[in-house]
Amino acid sequence: ETGVTQSPTHLIKTRGQQVTLRCSSQSGHNTVSWYQQALGQGPQFIFQYYREEENGRGNFPPRFSGLQFPNYSSELNVNALELDDSALYLCASSLGAGANVLTFGAGSRLTVL
Amino acid sequence: SQQGEEDPQALSIQEGENATMNCSYKTSINNLQWYRQNSGRGLVHLILIRSNEREKHSGRLRVTLDTSKKSSSLLITASRAADTASYFCATNRGGSEKLVFGKGTKLTVNP
Repeated sequence: ETGVTQSPTHLIKTRGQQVTLRCSSQSGHNTVSWYQQALGQGPQFIFQYYREEENGRGNFPPRFSGLQFPNYSSELNVNALELDDSALYLCASSLGAGANVLTFGAGSRLTVL
Repeated sequence: SQQGEEDPQALSIQEGENATMNCSYKTSINNLQWYRQNSGRGLVHLILIRSNEREKHSGRLRVTLDTSKKSSSLLITASRAADTASYFCATNRGGSEKLVFGKGTKLTVNP
């Protein structure tokens, strides 16, 4: 059984650029949730994908968008990067829609300069 | 916004001692979960307690839930240096797809 894998692990971008983060869900899981964790804070819910459809969204602007693929892997895209987007982006997979027990990946640390 | 608030923000103890962390939340919940995070890495699920449960055990972990006070506690008994991490409570309201995390308690267990 493979866990949740995220790529890249670290990346540096400049303001205004775009970034794509990738996530492979745990085997057998069909739901992916994305969270943003700023330094010293708890994770904040960005959105969830279930069966390739967005299934709920947190308080994030439209420049945060996502996709889920038929194999349940997922992408998080952020356009027009701002300095405040610097954070650890966590992907979590689970079985079924809703807020079930989450299996997290190690995260992608994004620095925006 | 974050619903859960952990207390204390930081806790430093010696190996072998017990560690108690508290979590308060604001709205009614379906369940409450505790997660551990080592040094800014991914979170690891520890335990889930449902709103109709009052206490749950898993190994050295004991979780209590008081829905009338909207609070939960996580007790780690006989702590080890490897327990050094940040601990987060996360709440879920019925029908919601998201977990709402607190800011966490940073636990340091000194050898």
